Amino acid sequence: AQKVTQAQTEISVVEKEDVTLDCVYETRDTTYYLFWYKQPPSGELVFLIRRNSFDEQNEISGRYSWNFQKSTSSFNFTITASQVVDSAVYFCALSDVNFGNEKLTFGTGTRLTIIP
Amino acid sequence: NAGVMQNPRHLVRRRGQEARLRCSPMKGHSHVYWYRQLPEEGLKFMVYLQKENIIDESGMPKERFSAEFPKEGPSILRIQQVVRGDSAAYFCASSPGLAGSQETQYFGPGTRLLVL
Repeated sequence: AQKVTQAQTEISVVEKEDVTLDCVYETRDTTYYLFWYKQPPSGELVFLIRRNSFDEQNEISGRYSWNFQKSTSSFNFTITASQVVDSAVYFCALSDVNFGNEKLTFGTGTRLTIIP
Repeated sequence: NAGVMQNPRHLVRRRGQEARLRCSPMKGHSHVYWYRQLPEEGLKFMVYLQKENIIDESGMPKERFSAEFPKEGPSILRIQQVVRGDSAAYFCASSPGLAGSQETQYFGPGTRLLVL
């Protein structure tokens, strides 16, 4: 069975600080996909990134970066120079490769609060 | 391009009534997924549908819940005889469903169901 663990329930940092959100996953599959979604206070889910299990290169997109390490089954998310608009709940999710069925297994989320 | 549309955004029902939640996928998307988010929890997969077919309903409660995705029109998640425990946010996601491809799911804004 698949499982995603986000051990940090809530994090608060002062604006402009860097913050890392942890994600640890479990799967028996050798091929899988990992995702991060953002849920701002308005409630919608915003897609941030998708990474497949064969691509361990770290990715950077503006102030966001992701560190994928298969050896530790982790897919951590770092926000550099945080801003108040980054305040949201962030979900890590996992999907196995079952073509035609891409259902996601979500972690319980990390609530990030950026203090001005 | 319009994103995934869900309506209503908020729905209030009394115990015993029926709730009907609608989801229109993104243009060109033929796969629809429904997820439920209980208060302060992550999202849990409910059902995966293609046009006129239920592919995976492993996450659906055995009673009172049903889903459809007709040839024409939106996907419908139907909850009969609602109980207070059904109060949650229900999210719909869609993906293109290209053969042999693992695609990202894009989420709608959700329907917040409150059962009084």
